[in-house]
Amino acid sequence: GNSVTQMEGPVTLSEEAFLTINCTYTATGYPSLFWYVQYPGEGLQLLLKATKADDKGSNKGFEATYRKETTSFHLEKGSVQVSDSAVYFCALISGSARQLTFGSGTQLTVLP
Amino acid sequence: DAGVIQSPRHEVTEMGQEVTLRCKLISGHNSLFWYRQTMMRGLELLIYFNNNVPIDDSGMPEDRFSAKMPNASFSTLKIQPSEPRDSAVYFCASSFYRGTTDRPATNEKLFFGSGTQLSVL
Repeated sequence: GNSVTQMEGPVTLSEEAFLTINCTYTATGYPSLFWYVQYPGEGLQLLLKATKADDKGSNKGFEATYRKETTSFHLEKGSVQVSDSAVYFCALISGSARQLTFGSGTQLTVLP
Repeated sequence: DAGVIQSPRHEVTEMGQEVTLRCKLISGHNSLFWYRQTMMRGLELLIYFNNNVPIDDSGMPEDRFSAKMPNASFSTLKIQPSEPRDSAVYFCASSFYRGTTDRPATNEKLFFGSGTQLSVL
């Protein structure tokens, strides 16, 4: 079956620090990969996605590259802001599944 | 558009009581998902519907849980009787599903509601 493994949090960084949140997956076929973000008190929102190997998804300064050889989709941002504090979820769709499989989420806190 | 609307935002109830959570889809969307979020298990898909039809309810924990779509824009998730281990945040999400029986597609971009925080004492 499909599964997503994220680095465990919480992650605490100072403003303008570099961010990496690791995500690896197992899937049947060729999955599409996603990062969702959940701000405090809100539902999840799609942050970025990549649908084939070597694609790079990007949005709001965040990037993630679909690495088929390492089955990874790590999220990066060069300079985080306090407003980036949220929970980040890696997710995939693959095979006959019609719905997203989510990772466990990583809590990010950015301090001023 | 107001987005996916869930109610109530918070629900506190006693063990054994019936709980009903409500969700209004985004206008024009035809897929509806119910998720449960806890610290221990993260996000779990409970059930989802395409065009008012339940497609996969394998995530529904037990018979105490039931979900319905009485019309194309509204859904309820009912827990009867509720138990303390049901305490969680319940999210509803919707999307526009373009697939058909002959040409299935995937539900990629979900729009989530703000969730219902359920506490069963």
